[in-house]
Amino acid sequence: DADVTQTPRNRITKTGKRIMLECSQTKGHDRMYWYRQDPGLGLRLIYYSFDVKDINKGEISDGYSVSRQAQAKFSLSLESAIPNQTALYFCATSDPGLNHHEQFFGPGTRLTVL
Amino acid sequence: AQSVTQLGSHVSVSEGALVLLRCNYSSSVPPYLFWYVQYPNQGLQLLLKYTSAATLVKGINGFEAEFKKSETSFHLTKPSAHMSDAAEYFCAVSDLGGTSYGKLTFGQGTILTVHP
Repeated sequence: DADVTQTPRNRITKTGKRIMLECSQTKGHDRMYWYRQDPGLGLRLIYYSFDVKDINKGEISDGYSVSRQAQAKFSLSLESAIPNQTALYFCATSDPGLNHHEQFFGPGTRLTVL
Repeated sequence: AQSVTQLGSHVSVSEGALVLLRCNYSSSVPPYLFWYVQYPNQGLQLLLKYTSAATLVKGINGFEAEFKKSETSFHLTKPSAHMSDAAEYFCAVSDLGGTSYGKLTFGQGTILTVHP
């Protein structure tokens, strides 16, 4: 079941281009997260949102922005992409009161910036 | 701030051998702890979680982990490795306090290779 979906799944772009990655969820969770994964570095938090009106920076937010359009949608933008933003990006959702802080992940978006 | 350290970025075992993936954490309060698995070209899925109930936690696919408060560890084990266990494994700790309540901090990941 595709409770957390991400589009696109793969994207190749050029330096300086604006890119938007989208995340949708049908789990009804208020909390949503964006991570990037780089080899040997694990997952690092970019931005997170605890509800539609709440947006917070994570540990590596520089060069990124987000928009929480609805409870179910959380988009990540790269205003001017650079090569070191080449990575695998994951969206996740959670409901701490229900699942003891377990996060549910989308399938990921592989972004390449040339 | 919480942190997670996974000892060994790569672990290689033979099929049928014991799997041991190490995770140590730092936390000012008793945490929730998680192991996630990532198969090639897929997202992360939960293997198991510790939520302050039993210290020995059983997960999917025959994996288990033991929470040891005195050692601040949450090592993942499986008695007998299968080829299908080849994947990357991530340990994570949940922040139980303050404005970051519910955030996860991940370790660097351990790539498990299983040889025939």
